[in-house]
Amino acid sequence: EADIYQTPRYLVIGTGKKITLECSQTMGHDKMYWYQQDPGMELHLIHYSYGVNSTEKGDLSSESTVSRIRTEHFPLTLESARPSHTSQYLCASSPSHRNTGELFFGEGSRLTVL
Amino acid sequence: KNQVEQSPQSLIILEGKNCTLQCNYTVSPFSNLRWYKQDTGRGPVSLTIMTFSENTKSNGRYTATLDADTKQSSLHITASQLSDSASYICVVSDRGSTLGRLYFGRGTQLTVWP
Repeated sequence: EADIYQTPRYLVIGTGKKITLECSQTMGHDKMYWYQQDPGMELHLIHYSYGVNSTEKGDLSSESTVSRIRTEHFPLTLESARPSHTSQYLCASSPSHRNTGELFFGEGSRLTVL
Repeated sequence: KNQVEQSPQSLIILEGKNCTLQCNYTVSPFSNLRWYKQDTGRGPVSLTIMTFSENTKSNGRYTATLDADTKQSSLHITASQLSDSASYICVVSDRGSTLGRLYFGRGTQLTVWP
């Protein structure tokens, strides 16, 4: 059982609101990721981090930002939400010492912007 | 362009029957291939990993195969159960970077009927 948690699980907000999706893991993993997932589509990497104070943008252009002040915490922020941001957001982590491609996912945050 | 293609897109089978899901990839250089299971409303969970030298690997009722020459993998599910209803995602990792870039398929949505 993976120890990675996302909150909120579901969020419905109006256009222009600022939101933060929380992600925490208790496995001590250095690598953390945010993916966006839409129905019937592959997961798209939007942000990743190799460790504290390290953040990089992923393949999919995103207006969101992330921070990594603590190893266990990797929050994602949208300053001004729009309907196009409606999606499922998945947080994941992986250990640095094994490059086997195994990701441990949270249960996801489903965001709906009206 | 590195790609991962999965088929079929969706599949409905009766409880107790067997099924096979396919994954074709063009990722190079190849490191490993993982099959993930994603239950509705949850994050993906790794089922099995296949490396270059492995042809077959079993995990309970799940058996994965890999043909590195033809760049094809399959996931065979034996004696399906209702709890097997989920999306099955093929993920291929390359050896081109320390991160081990991941390439995701769009998944096969499996529904098992009683």
